[in-house]
Amino acid sequence: GESVGLHLPTLSVQEGDNSIINCAYSNSASDYFIWYKQESGKGPQFIIDIRSNMDKRQGQRVTVLLNKTVKHLSLQIAATQPGDSAVYFCAENPSGYALNFGKGTSLLVTP
Amino acid sequence: GAVVSQHPSWVICKSGTSVKIECRSLDFQATTMFWYRQFPKQSLMLMATSNEGSKATYEQGVEKDKFLINHASLTLSTLTVTSAHPEDSSFYICSALGGTGWAEAFFGQGTRLTVV
Repeated sequence: GESVGLHLPTLSVQEGDNSIINCAYSNSASDYFIWYKQESGKGPQFIIDIRSNMDKRQGQRVTVLLNKTVKHLSLQIAATQPGDSAVYFCAENPSGYALNFGKGTSLLVTP
Repeated sequence: GAVVSQHPSWVICKSGTSVKIECRSLDFQATTMFWYRQFPKQSLMLMATSNEGSKATYEQGVEKDKFLINHASLTLSTLTVTSAHPEDSSFYICSALGGTGWAEAFFGQGTRLTVV
């Protein structure tokens, strides 16, 4: 079936650098996308979302880019900090109801 | 953002017993809640959709008689794992749609179930 996937399962960056986490989706009907951060033993935490009528959205230190032509989503984290170390999931909402999660990328921030 | 509370955060039970997990929306009413299961180093897999006042909708492959869901009020959904076995050990997470009615989902902190 259609699914959401990630290009990189793990990402290691140095503190202060920018991080880019990528996600590919295959359901062209999806009109809403969310990035979540999950720390070990905890539930997912909302980071930022974007709707299909937008191609960029910025938050505090985070930016989400959406390329509908190639069905690609990315999360950019500026000036990555040790507290950013976690697993990041993209999720799509193809039906306006339950979320479909990608596989996840583990981000490790080294000092 | 909206707050979803899940209880307990962890539980250990013996094989053959049943375990109930609660999911509460603390500052908003949730007509729909979702239950996910997550194995180590894997993504969240939707188990079922819990609808207030009606039967839950289960995803393919999820046994409805084993994972009983009750959504008796607008702020509480429960998941009961019946006759638990070691293979049921997992991280169970609930979520609820935000009060805006859009698709943003707020998640509970998860319940680590270990069946021994």
